[in-house]
Amino acid sequence: DIQMTQSPSSLSASVGDRVTIPCRASQSISKNLNWYQQKPRKAPNLLIYGASSLESGVPSRFSGSGSGTDFILTISSLQPEDFATYYCQQTDSYPHTFGQGTKLEMK
Amino acid sequence: QVQLVQSGSELKKPGASVKVSCKASGYSITTYGMNWVRQAPGRGLEWMGWINTNTGNPTYAQGFTGRFVFTLDTSVNTAYLQISSLKPEDTAMYYCARADNYRVYLTYYYVMDSWGQGTLVTVSS
Repeated sequence: DIQMTQSPSSLSASVGDRVTIPCRASQSISKNLNWYQQKPRKAPNLLIYGASSLESGVPSRFSGSGSGTDFILTISSLQPEDFATYYCQQTDSYPHTFGQGTKLEMK
Repeated sequence: QVQLVQSGSELKKPGASVKVSCKASGYSITTYGMNWVRQAPGRGLEWMGWINTNTGNPTYAQGFTGRFVFTLDTSVNTAYLQISSLKPEDTAMYYCARADNYRVYLTYYYVMDSWGQGTLVTVSS
């Protein structure tokens, strides 16, 4: 199975900050990488697909980059509603494993 | 408008079975696959597998074989997750999520673009 590693597991930031959340795959997954946002007691929500394409309706302050094994989710200017947990998921091969998540907390 | 509505919370004893439903509206369930995702309390997301809603063929992640079964009833546009021989460690929120393939130039990317609200299954004696 492909292992997805998200480190750190939590990150503190302030409104207006530029934030980067890394994700690493245990082997090359090309660009078969999605990012999801999950708020407490809510279902996850698709943000980025194909490593760098923005899902319709998602604010443009979110962006994704990377290919192969190393990926980054960037929030250009953090807004209050962005404090949440972010998961990467590879869809290159079964099982479609998730990273363990990075919780974005208010500093 | 696409919507997935899941059945309500369940409290079960160890050894019992549970069947979680996921009713799709706004589209025909046979048009898109359906994933199942587990989230134990305070933990991350685990991809359990998916069912090809056109053929009925399921794919299970390791760790979700044997006691976990994905089924469909296309007449009511609903997918189901059945868990048998429940254990306390099965206590979790279970989500269904629609599968789609998004095209970027000549490449298709697999996504889970619509999610149910989740069903909490609690296993306790």
